[in-house]
Amino acid sequence: AQKVTQAQTEISVVEKEDVTLDCVYETRDTTYYLFWYKQPPSGELVFLIRRNSFDEQNEISGRYSWNFQKSTSSFNFTITASQVVDSAVYFCAPGDLYNNNDMRFGAGTRLTVKP
Amino acid sequence: DGGITQSPKYLFRKEGQNVTLSCEQNLNHDAMYWYRQDPGQGLRLIYYSQIVNDFQKGDIAEGYSVSREKKESFPLTVTSAQKNPTAFYLCASSSRTVLSGANVLTFGAGSRLTVL
Repeated sequence: AQKVTQAQTEISVVEKEDVTLDCVYETRDTTYYLFWYKQPPSGELVFLIRRNSFDEQNEISGRYSWNFQKSTSSFNFTITASQVVDSAVYFCAPGDLYNNNDMRFGAGTRLTVKP
Repeated sequence: DGGITQSPKYLFRKEGQNVTLSCEQNLNHDAMYWYRQDPGQGLRLIYYSQIVNDFQKGDIAEGYSVSREKKESFPLTVTSAQKNPTAFYLCASSSRTVLSGANVLTFGAGSRLTVL
């Protein structure tokens, strides 16, 4: 089974600050997916990114960027110029390449962005 | 719009009562999942179903039961055997296209169950 550690339980920043959410995972698979989901106060988890373990290139999407380091089993998420709307709980999850039965979510990091 | 509908959003139950949470999807997804969320513990998998009339236990299935009689529906029953049922319950679904591998989960808005 997969396992993930999100060591930061809560982070609080002021608007426009950059913030990085850490994710360290464990997996016995040689190939796998990594996911990040966002859970706003409404409760519904929203998909942010899926990264294949083959691809170690960093990815940027607007103010969001992801740093995948296979050698350290980390998949960190950075929000640049944070906004109040970024306030949410963020979950990292490693997943099997062929099914979701083995997907395990971390405890999540609660991000609060203050105006 | 396609999505997952969970109902009720809030539910109160007396100890010893069974309660059923509804989950309906119109995404034509084969796989459906139930997760439980407690403060500080993230999401834990209760049950999942990859196909109609088949389902499997997740990590914390004790005290819960499910059925999958239709592709669109995956109701969760919280039985009186569940010792600490107060939690936030999330239903999710995904497609099972092998070529695309581990597919993205689409989540419902959740049901918050409180035992009085």
